[in-house]
Amino acid sequence: GIQVEQSPPDLILQEGANSTLRCNFSDSVNNLQWFHQNPWGQLINLFYIPSGTKQNGRLSATTVATERYSLLYISSSQTTDSGVYFCAGSKAAGNKLTFGGGTRVLVKP
Amino acid sequence: GAVVSQHPSRVICKSGTSVKIECRSLDFQATTMFWYRQFPKQSLMLMATSNEGSKATYEQGVEKDKFLINHASLTLSTLTVTSAHPEDSSFYICSGRGDTNEKLFFGSGTQLSVL
Repeated sequence: GIQVEQSPPDLILQEGANSTLRCNFSDSVNNLQWFHQNPWGQLINLFYIPSGTKQNGRLSATTVATERYSLLYISSSQTTDSGVYFCAGSKAAGNKLTFGGGTRVLVKP
Repeated sequence: GAVVSQHPSRVICKSGTSVKIECRSLDFQATTMFWYRQFPKQSLMLMATSNEGSKATYEQGVEKDKFLINHASLTLSTLTVTSAHPEDSSFYICSGRGDTNEKLFFGSGTQLSVL
């Protein structure tokens, strides 16, 4: 199966700062998603982004499928952005997703 | 986004008892449900995949007789941890996916503590 590597593993931000999280895949993926897990354990689907760029408020994501990586941008971070960000992918649509190890983000006021 | 309701959120049980966790998709039909286990500060580990009306497919190393999964309808899937032991203590999370959409939607998780 594919391997998913996320970086950095940990990130501490001052409120208002911008940041970039990265996700590398060992093989091409046709299904790529980003999730945020809040401190209480709830996971929220942020993006379904097998290719291209999408934006949702202060978050945006870009996937370069040919180079097997995806980036998640957080702009003007807020304390509510704290938690763990996971990317996950699969080679084919309909297959189970493989999750990366996550990036643990702490936004300080 | 779509909503998946998971209950209970927390359960404490004695060793040897069985625990049932329910997941319901409230505003979409979850043709496929995934069950994960997560240890503190670790990623999600897929336990099994279930399609409505079919037997679940378990990942290597997951005991199907211990973790019973039922997906009898398009809106309900259950995970029963049978004869629970302290090493089964973990955070269990379900997620659902509809027929026409690849996006995965998660329940809020169940923290299981086996004494």
